[in-house]
Amino acid sequence: AQSVTQLDSQVPVFEEAPVELRCNYSSSVSVYLFWYVQYPNQGLQLLLKYLSGSTLVKGINGFEAEFNKSQTSFHLRKPSVHISDTAEYFCAVTQNYNQGGKLIFGQGTELSVKP
Amino acid sequence: DTEVTQTPKHLVMGMTNKKSLKCEQHMGHRAMYWYKQKAKKPPELMFVYSYEKLSINESVPSRFSPECPNSSLLNLHLHALQPEDSALYLCASGGQGAYTQYFGPGTRLTVL
Repeated sequence: AQSVTQLDSQVPVFEEAPVELRCNYSSSVSVYLFWYVQYPNQGLQLLLKYLSGSTLVKGINGFEAEFNKSQTSFHLRKPSVHISDTAEYFCAVTQNYNQGGKLIFGQGTELSVKP
Repeated sequence: DTEVTQTPKHLVMGMTNKKSLKCEQHMGHRAMYWYKQKAKKPPELMFVYSYEKLSINESVPSRFSPECPNSSLLNLHLHALQPEDSALYLCASGGQGAYTQYFGPGTRLTVL
């Protein structure tokens, strides 16, 4: 069975500082990996995804993530955060894609950007 | 266009009421999903429809009844809910690329 672990439940950071949100996964098969962001009282927005190819993936809002197969990690990074990046971030992996796909989520990381 | 729409945005219902949540997508995706999300928790999968057929039911109580009238629409019929069913209900559609899922804004449900 696949699982996702987000190593930090809360990450406080000052505006314009760099940030890394950590995600590790376990899987015995090939994986497809995703990062979603959820702003208060909203749905989830896809930030970026890794399906295959280059291990460095660039997404929206200046975020990027690196797929590391040997360390089973998919950490999310941004070189300089803004107040507007304050939100909940979820890492996810897909399984059962022959049945339409099932997202397995991590527990989430609350990013709090302070002025 | 990666928009998934959900109606209503908010819903308050009593335990004896019957109501429905609606979801629509026009991206040509062939998979659609219902998730339930409690505060400060990740979404939990409830149902998956693939090519308009129910392919995954995560042992959801029968008071929740999904329906997929066509490839663009997904409904969730609610009956005799409990207060603990109060949550944010999210719909998603899945397309190319390992069924990459795109979420709607959700319906905030309160059961009194």
